[in-house]
Amino acid sequence: SQTIHQWPATLVQPVGSPLSLECTVEGTSNPNLYWYRQAAGRGLQLLFYSVGIGQISSEVPQNLSASRPQDRQFILSSKKLLLSDSGFYLCAWSTPPANYGYTFGSGTRLTVV
Amino acid sequence: AQSVAQPEDQVNVAEGNPLTVKCTYSVSGNPYLFWYVQYPNRGLQFLLKYITGDNLVKGSYGFEAEFNKSQTSFHLKKPSALVSDSALYFCAVRDLNTGFQKLVFGTGTRLLVSP
Repeated sequence: SQTIHQWPATLVQPVGSPLSLECTVEGTSNPNLYWYRQAAGRGLQLLFYSVGIGQISSEVPQNLSASRPQDRQFILSSKKLLLSDSGFYLCAWSTPPANYGYTFGSGTRLTVV
Repeated sequence: AQSVAQPEDQVNVAEGNPLTVKCTYSVSGNPYLFWYVQYPNRGLQFLLKYITGDNLVKGSYGFEAEFNKSQTSFHLKKPSALVSDSALYFCAVRDLNTGFQKLVFGTGTRLLVSP
């Protein structure tokens, strides 16, 4: 069966520190991968998506970057965190033609202090 | 551009009563519509989808949604609400104009079911 793992579940980081959040998918090949941020427990903002290894597209300009070093691994990074980077980060995957929508990970609660 | 609107920030209902969470869509062509639920500090869970076929779609946990093309709506419904249904609900539409399978989400509706 297909599963998605996201870690860590919670993270408290000081301003200016680096960030690395990891997401891995099992049980599927060549998925599309997505990073979302949810602020204030409401709307979802698509940050990055990837349709293949090394292929990253950014939806919004920001302090974050993403990488996909392996087919089923998606990493969200920052060199120096800002207070405004705090939020709930969600990884998701889909496979063509996405008639079944996305499958989401359990999320990472990031608090920048 | 494809979009969905959830006009209610919050819906309050008493346990045992029917519930409706509203969603309207704006798309070019045939819509692919989804409902997701999110419990506190958790990821989104898929509830149901409409791709084609019957206008009444049945999903997880006793939820169903009615696709209405003339009203461009896809409201989520449940005949009898449970306290455990209290959560954040998102409507989404697949954006067919992008090269990848982008889902466009609504702003979410918080459902509170009182005992």
